[in-house]
Amino acid sequence: DQQVKQNSPSLSVQEGRISILNCDYTNSMFDYFLWYKKYPAEGPTFLISISSIKDKNEDGRFTVFLNKSAKHLSLHIVPSQPGDSAVYFCAASADWAGKLIFGQGTELSVKP
Amino acid sequence: DGGITQSPKYLFRKEGQNVTLSCEQNLNHDAMYWYRQDPGQGLRLIYYSQIVNDFQKGDIAEGYSVSREKKESFPLTVTSAQKNPTAFYLCASSIREGATEAFFGQGTRLTVV
Repeated sequence: DQQVKQNSPSLSVQEGRISILNCDYTNSMFDYFLWYKKYPAEGPTFLISISSIKDKNEDGRFTVFLNKSAKHLSLHIVPSQPGDSAVYFCAASADWAGKLIFGQGTELSVKP
Repeated sequence: DGGITQSPKYLFRKEGQNVTLSCEQNLNHDAMYWYRQDPGQGLRLIYYSQIVNDFQKGDIAEGYSVSREKKESFPLTVTSAQKNPTAFYLCASSIREGATEAFFGQGTRLTVV
């Protein structure tokens, strides 16, 4: 049972445009959501997070939106840059952090 | 510099042999975790430990074993009972209380031939 789902395995965007990565979850007990960025053969690095008491969190070019009623979150990157090309994982936690449930990942390609 | 160190980065073993992956952290984090990454399946939790001398099974613990004798160390043994051990293994740690994100090591690519 996949509790966190990223239904788009890949996304291609032109440099300067907006990238929107989506994530759906099924467990209504999840109260903390995170996005990680991962390059091949490296560990994921934390990007941005959001608590269930908020619906938006912004950090520079990255914004995460949370729609609790739809059990959906999204990551917006604007403007997109070639260096943003990587695999992006969303993750969720229902209790103390660390025991994270990850989605399958979306590979973002930003073309010059 | 504080961080999580996994070693080795690449590891080859013959089928039927046990192998131990190392994970060390100097972040003073109480909690540590092992994840496995397979293509198209994201990261799946193998084992986690909230405190020294205590650990719990994750979603795919069969064929794996761990120990947590020291706060800084959380080695993972891939036993011969693991049916499909070739994968990319990631170790992570986090502050136990009021934590937010987990910090990951660089990973170990295990290939069983």
